[in-house]
Amino acid sequence: NAGVTQTPKFQVLKTGQSMTLQCAQDMNHEYMSWYRQDPGMGLRLIHYSVGAGITDQGEVPNGYNVSRSTTEDFPLRLLSAAPSQTSVYFCASSYRGGQKNIQYFGAGTRLSVL
Amino acid sequence: AQTVTQSQPEMSVQEAETVTLSCTYDTSESDYYLFWYKQPPSRQMILVIRQEAYKQQNATENRFSVNFQKAAKSFSLKISDSQLGDAAMYFCAYRSWNNDMRFGAGTRLTVKP
Repeated sequence: NAGVTQTPKFQVLKTGQSMTLQCAQDMNHEYMSWYRQDPGMGLRLIHYSVGAGITDQGEVPNGYNVSRSTTEDFPLRLLSAAPSQTSVYFCASSYRGGQKNIQYFGAGTRLSVL
Repeated sequence: AQTVTQSQPEMSVQEAETVTLSCTYDTSESDYYLFWYKQPPSRQMILVIRQEAYKQQNATENRFSVNFQKAAKSFSLKISDSQLGDAAMYFCAYRSWNNDMRFGAGTRLTVKP
């Protein structure tokens, strides 16, 4: 019963490096999303997807790319990391709507950009 | 865009007492969902309770209940018989009909033995 799995749990990058945060869910959820959490702030939506092949921008999309080739996976790419992207990143998934739209969260990835 | 405001950065409650956490939101939509999530030091986001905007009845889950005032755009969380394990950050969240989700800045709850 894995739920939402994020890898890695921790990552340190140098400015300008690229990397991909992985997110996978095994609940056959249509909706997946990425958030960042900064100190003193709630979660802010980066990008989301309502199904394979469909993605859209959230509140803070700049500097991040996503794609959704399968229902299960929703990776988040940092093309050129900046110190401002130091944060904790959460992936979440849910059914698209109605009474089953409760989001389930991964354990988070703590990213530091030096 | 919708905004969610939690005006209490920190709250404290004595064990076994009752505490209420406040949340207000701004929206022009009529169909939406509201949530309270708990985040303990482990960072895991745990759903506490959910409210559908079209339901007038306030949601309850064991010791947790909400006071949903749609006209006032208010959604407070009441925790009864507080326990040490309730200590955490609590986030109020708004989910739009199109699945866009916004969170408040959080309230840190301390439970004193």
